[in-house]
Amino acid sequence: AQSVAQPEDQVNVAEGNPLTVKCTYSVSGNPYLFWYVQYPNRGLQFLLKYITGDNLVKGSYGFEAEFNKSQTSFHLKKPSALVSDSALYFCAVRDMGAAGNKLTFGGGTRVLVKP
Amino acid sequence: DAGVIQSPRHEVTEMGQEVTLRCKPISGHDYLFWYRQTMMRGLELLIYFNNNVPIDDSGMPEDRFSAKMPNASFSTLKIQPSEPRDSAVYFCASSLRRVLHEQYFGPGTRLTVT
Repeated sequence: AQSVAQPEDQVNVAEGNPLTVKCTYSVSGNPYLFWYVQYPNRGLQFLLKYITGDNLVKGSYGFEAEFNKSQTSFHLKKPSALVSDSALYFCAVRDMGAAGNKLTFGGGTRVLVKP
Repeated sequence: DAGVIQSPRHEVTEMGQEVTLRCKPISGHDYLFWYRQTMMRGLELLIYFNNNVPIDDSGMPEDRFSAKMPNASFSTLKIQPSEPRDSAVYFCASSLRRVLHEQYFGPGTRLTVT
């Protein structure tokens, strides 16, 4: 079964500093990987995805993610964090189950950006 | 575009009562997903539909839970009877087949069962 792991429950960073949120995956076959963000009292919002191609994927709000096949990782990054980036971030993988059309989410990482 | 609409936003009910959560997906989207989010279990997929047909309901916790999608613009998730352990935030999401995994989530329904 496909799975993703987010090893950090929370990441604290000062505004203006680089932000990294870690994700590792376990899949059979080629991975389809995703990042979503959840702001307080809101539903999840799609940030970016890796299907194939360049290992560096650019997404919304200045975020990018680096796919690393040898390390089975898909870390989310932002060069300069904003206070407004404080939210809950989820990594997800396409679940190649019977229908292959659903996502399995990690446990989430809370990001707190301090002024 | 109004996005995915869920109602009610908050529901407080007593154990044993029936609860019905409602969802209107984005117009034209042909996939609809129901999720549950709790602190203990994180985000769990309960069931999803394609063109109004249930495809995978393996995440539905037990027979007390049921979901329907009578048409392309409406879905319900029903819990009967409700129990305190059902307390959670329930999200509905929709997507287009051609960008299947870019799911659009509604604001959620916060359910509290006392």
